Amino acid sequence: DSGVTQTPKHLITATGQRVTLRCSPRSGDLSVYWYQQSLDQGLQFLIQYYNGEERAKGNILERFSAQQFPDLHSELNLSSLELGDSALYFCASSASGVSGNTIYFGEGSWLTVV
Amino acid sequence: GQNIDQPTEMTATEGAIVQINCTYQTSGFNGLFWYQQHAGEAPTFLSYNVLDGLEEKGRFSSFLSRSKGYSYLLLKELQMKDSASYLCAVRDKPGYALNFGKGTSLLVTP
Repeated sequence: DSGVTQTPKHLITATGQRVTLRCSPRSGDLSVYWYQQSLDQGLQFLIQYYNGEERAKGNILERFSAQQFPDLHSELNLSSLELGDSALYFCASSASGVSGNTIYFGEGSWLTVV
Repeated sequence: GQNIDQPTEMTATEGAIVQINCTYQTSGFNGLFWYQQHAGEAPTFLSYNVLDGLEEKGRFSSFLSRSKGYSYLLLKELQMKDSASYLCAVRDKPGYALNFGKGTSLLVTP
């Protein structure tokens, strides 16, 4: 158990809908990362928050957004869903932004768009 | 930009040694990480290299050459449970996200 908690574990929704994925980082970790993993792609970095502020953006679509709340939990919002958005979405966290800190992953949220 | 390459698949025999290579070209460098991922599960941390050389941790070792943009993960005394995907990742700036290669799927056979 990495200490990173994600909900829901599984989600099935229809095209055009909107979903929210939730993540609680390890206790004390200030950085939260969101990654997408689909069958034909590796882990794709979406976005990073550090202590409530957006720190870096990766390959995140405009239909997707995220935020980190004062209690450091984070949410990833996916809207106007398409079939191609079906994937495993991971949240990860790490301690303060110093060099060498390992990133720990949650168990992921399986999203199926039908 | 980032470019991280590793073989797609490898097969090895139980009890043997296998080396999984990773080459990278990144705009900056602040560490190379190896993760293990079983199908449908979370990636789990295996090793971290930031200086050149070999880091050993039990049956797993990882090597880094920054000048060559090259790393390898060495798995000794292979066990069936080592069948998994092995992900090479690079962090290009302190405190920022890891960028992952597509992973190497390792199959350990009896």
